Amino acid sequence: AQTVTQSQPEMSVQEAETVTLSCTYDTSENNYYLFWYKQPPSRQMILVIRQEAYKQQNATENRFSVNFQKAAKSFSLKISDSQLGDTAMYFCAFMRFDYKLSFGAGTTVTVRA
Amino acid sequence: DTAVSQTPKYLVTQMGNDKSIKCEQNLGHDTMYWYKQDSKKFLKIMFSYNNKELIINETVPNRFSPKSPDKAHLNLHINSLELGDSAVYFCASSQSSGYTFGSGTRLTVV
Repeated sequence: AQTVTQSQPEMSVQEAETVTLSCTYDTSENNYYLFWYKQPPSRQMILVIRQEAYKQQNATENRFSVNFQKAAKSFSLKISDSQLGDTAMYFCAFMRFDYKLSFGAGTTVTVRA
Repeated sequence: DTAVSQTPKYLVTQMGNDKSIKCEQNLGHDTMYWYKQDSKKFLKIMFSYNNKELIINETVPNRFSPKSPDKAHLNLHINSLELGDSAVYFCASSQSSGYTFGSGTRLTVV
């Protein structure tokens, strides 16, 4: 079974600064997808960024980027130039071949004005 | 709009009742899911259907029964509701490279 670990329950960052969220996972598979989802207080699950395991290049979406270390099974998310609207819970997730998505416990990010 | 829509958004009901949550997607995805988010915000898969066929059935009480009349719909029926069933239930659909989630149904059992 896949496990996804997010070791930081809460993070706080000053507006315009950078914050990095950690995620590690455990799998014996070679091909899979990794995701970061954002859940604001509205509870909507919003896809932030996606990484295919077979791609060495780290994914980037505007102010969001990942550091994917396949051998170390690590998938951290960097939020640059943090904005108040980034305040949310962030979930790391692993998707295997049968499309089953396994989530970490989440990290609550608070952006301070 | 292109989306995964689930109804109702909120559901308050008494213990012992039977209730259903409906989900529809117009994305043309083959696979649909139900996830449960508990009070600690932990998300766990309950069921997955691919083209109307059940492919994932996690350890869920048999009071929960999913039904997929066609590949665009996946409903969740819950019998004899218990206090511990209170949670947010998310419907989702996927193709090959990611999920689209509905906005969730907050179920409160009193």
